[in-house]
Amino acid sequence: EAGVAQSPRYKIIEKRQSVAFWCNPISGHATLYWYQQILGQGPKLLIQFQNNGVVDDSQLPKDRFSAERLKGVDSTLKIQPAKLEDSAVYLCASSRGQGSEKLFFGSGTQLSVL
Amino acid sequence: KQEVTQIPAALSVPEGENLVLNCSFTDSAIYNLQWFRQDPGKGLTSLLLIQSSQREQTSGRLNASLDKSSGRSTLYIAASQPGDSATYLCAVRRNTGKLIFGQGTTLQVKP
Repeated sequence: EAGVAQSPRYKIIEKRQSVAFWCNPISGHATLYWYQQILGQGPKLLIQFQNNGVVDDSQLPKDRFSAERLKGVDSTLKIQPAKLEDSAVYLCASSRGQGSEKLFFGSGTQLSVL
Repeated sequence: KQEVTQIPAALSVPEGENLVLNCSFTDSAIYNLQWFRQDPGKGLTSLLLIQSSQREQTSGRLNASLDKSSGRSTLYIAASQPGDSATYLCAVRRNTGKLIFGQGTTLQVKP
C-alpha cells in the first residue's frame, strides 16, 4: 500500500512570493489534514477535509493561506504572499475517517522563506 | 482549551536502559491518544493508539498507558537501542475529531 505522497520535498522562496504544496493521500482515505510544524514544536492543524468538504480550518490564516481538495482525493495548500514566519515543515496526513482511526503522515515539505 | 505538554523536552540514555516518556493534557474529554515517532527530516509514524476506554496498548518493546482522570499518558520503552533515537510526540484527539500535539521529547540512545 502506497503511503501519503507530498511534493516538493524542499522549497526556498523570498518573502511576499507565492508557493504551493501538493498531497496525495492513501487510497480510500476520506480524511485529509494539513499540519504546520515549526522547528522544535509539535505539528499544528491548519485544515482538515472530509472528502472534499472542510471540517476544521479554524487555525488557517485565511488572509494568506488557502487549501482545496476538489475531487476528494489529492489536495493543494497555497501561501500567498509568504512571510518569514511561514518557514516550517508542512505535513499532510490522511485517515480512513475522522474518528478513531490512526493518522498516516507524508514526509512533509520543508519551506524556507528568506 | 486543550493543551498537551511533554516532559522532558530531551532525554539521553545509555543503550539497554528502560525509559519512560510523559505526556499530560488539560481536558480529559478526549476520544483517543496517539503516540508518534519522528525521525529528523521525516514525517510522523504512528506507534500506538489508545482509545479513551482503554488503559494501555503494547507493541513489541513499547507500552503506552492512559489515565484520563489525571490527564496523563506514558510511553514506556524497554531495553532501548540506538535505533530508538528520534523525537516522540503524543497527540490527543478531541471529540470534534481535532488532533492536538505536544511539542515532543527528543530521545538519544547512546551505544
